[in-house]
Amino acid sequence: AQKVTQAQTEISVVEKEDVTLDCVYETRDTTYYLFWYKQPPSGELVFLIRRNSFDEQNEISGRYSWNFQKSTSSFNFTITASQVVDSAVYFCALDLDSNYQLIWGAGTKLIIKP
Amino acid sequence: KAGVTQTPRYLIKTRGQQVTLSCSPISGHRSVSWYQQTPGQGLQFLFEYFSETQRNKGNFPGRFSGRQFSNSRSEMNVSTLELGDSALYLCASSLGQYDGYTFGSGTRLTVV
Repeated sequence: AQKVTQAQTEISVVEKEDVTLDCVYETRDTTYYLFWYKQPPSGELVFLIRRNSFDEQNEISGRYSWNFQKSTSSFNFTITASQVVDSAVYFCALDLDSNYQLIWGAGTKLIIKP
Repeated sequence: KAGVTQTPRYLIKTRGQQVTLSCSPISGHRSVSWYQQTPGQGLQFLFEYFSETQRNKGNFPGRFSGRQFSNSRSEMNVSTLELGDSALYLCASSLGQYDGYTFGSGTRLTVV
């Protein structure tokens, strides 16, 4: 069965601290896609990144970086020098090839205190 | 370019009624999928359409149905509403599986 686990329900840090959000996934498929989305209080899911299973390169985008490790089935997300505007719920999701549905983790609520 | 548009944004219905939610995808996107978000169950997949064909369906009762029109706009319908159907319903459109999914702002349905 396919599953996404985000064990951290809520994380609270002070502004400018670095923070890592964990994501562990389960699938026996060899072709799959992993996503991170941000959900601010407004409710809209904002796309952050998509990774396919054949691309294990880490990625950095400004203050955001992602560490994809197939050996541990993890796709972790780090925010460097966090800001209050980063406060939101962050979701990790798995999409299997030709399945056309996202399997979601439970989300991690991130609170950045000024 | 315009994003994914969902209407209405908010809706209050009474138990037993039915409701229709609408989703207009990004221009050129032929895939539309629907998700239900509740505090208890999180985000759950409802169904996905591509060129008017349902390609996948989640584990929801038959009261939940959807369709897609030739212009890629999609509607979902919930009949005989129950209190547990209160949720944020999110629609996403995609150019293709390799492209990722863009979500709308959602329709918040409250059943009283």
